[in-house]
Amino acid sequence: DAKTTQPTSMDCAEGRAANLPCNHSTISGNEYVYWYRQIHSQGPQYIIHGLKNNETNEMASLIITEDRKSSTLILPHATLRDTAVYYCISYGSGNTGKLIFGQGTTLQVKP
Amino acid sequence: DAGITQSPRHKVTETGTPVTLRCHQTENHRYMYWYRQDPGHGLRLIHYSYGVKDTDKGEVSDGYSVSRSKTEDFLLTLESATSSQTSVYFCAISESGDRAPYEQYFGPGTRLTVT
Repeated sequence: DAKTTQPTSMDCAEGRAANLPCNHSTISGNEYVYWYRQIHSQGPQYIIHGLKNNETNEMASLIITEDRKSSTLILPHATLRDTAVYYCISYGSGNTGKLIFGQGTTLQVKP
Repeated sequence: DAGITQSPRHKVTETGTPVTLRCHQTENHRYMYWYRQDPGHGLRLIHYSYGVKDTDKGEVSDGYSVSRSKTEDFLLTLESATSSQTSVYFCAISESGDRAPYEQYFGPGTRLTVT
């Protein structure tokens, strides 16, 4: 079973920020939080990851709470092409590639 | 985008026939993975490889075998295809699997239908 919980679906207006929450209350100290997304019929796409500190790259920002029990992925200016299923995964050493994809959050960006 | 290709992209086969799916990478990454994706189950790991000729089972490995004779190629074989193996198959690669960073990069997928 996935070790993270996410809302099933969310809507966002085009051009606005999309904030996708994730709970990972059982995350261990050496586990990172990873975000992937899957646009319809395509392979999952890596977005960003973090351990303790907030992270930003060209795609998104990741805000991790101080207790590391939850995080938020932020797409600063959502576009229609950001409509996808977003997966939050906790993963660390010893997992050897065994990413556990839950059901994710279906983000619908609307014009 | 990471250099990952999968072949074939679509295949229809009959029950009982052998099927081989190929994943090819140009990134020289050490780790390669095969997943399947089915409605209601998300992505599930079938097998993975942590080097040439080094492979291990994932959570849904029954009915599948793999081989990796070169860094760039990872083959998934269904010895005798069954209808329950109808699925979309994704290959992924990773520079590392046991130390950070762990991000995986996925191929475009192969849609397999077993009739």
